[in-house]
Amino acid sequence: GQQVMQIPQYQHVQEGEDFTTYCNSSTTLSNIQWYKQRPGGHPVFLIQLVKSGEVKKQKRLTFQFGEAKKNSSLHITATQTTDVGTYFCAGRTGSARQLTFGSGTQLTVLP
Amino acid sequence: EAGVTQSPTHLIKTRGQQATLRCSPISGHTSVYWYQQALGLGLQFLLWYDEGEERNRGNFPPRFSGRQFPNYSSELNVNALELEDSALYLCASTRGDHLGTEAFFGQGTRLTVV
Repeated sequence: GQQVMQIPQYQHVQEGEDFTTYCNSSTTLSNIQWYKQRPGGHPVFLIQLVKSGEVKKQKRLTFQFGEAKKNSSLHITATQTTDVGTYFCAGRTGSARQLTFGSGTQLTVLP
Repeated sequence: EAGVTQSPTHLIKTRGQQATLRCSPISGHTSVYWYQQALGLGLQFLLWYDEGEERNRGNFPPRFSGRQFPNYSSELNVNALELEDSALYLCASTRGDHLGTEAFFGQGTRLTVV
């Protein structure tokens, strides 16, 4: 079945440093989504990418979808303490209806 | 519009007992996912229900089971509880198509097994 791997599992950064999390699928994805879970909260949708090579930005967050639509990344520029949380990617393959989540990257930002 | 609701918020059980967790999806959503999230860890996929049928299950023992009702609400049952079942159980719902709609999560049920 489809597998979505996410690395790293944990990341500690100094406030102001950049952060990147990577998502890799064993199969070609029709789209990929990113979610953020704040400590003590539940995952909340951030963005969806659909097109090969697509890049989207939300303020300091940059999301990329690979050319082969098998990988994706989330990059945060100049992290802030408000960026703390766990970031998940999730994807669907072809006409598959199931949304498969990666295991997440837990980001800690040290002041 | 009401979001995904889960009940109860917290549940304390003793080892060997059974736990029942409930989830009401967003109106119009036909797919429900269940995840287990142990403290400080990622989402572990448990079960996926769509249109009343179990479509897929994760790598969990058979004592984890569930069902989806005609109104698309869902129930997760955990039998013969073990201490390591203590976790946050999250339910998410989506529209039941492949068009890439986002998943909406409930606040979760915190299950503690003592």
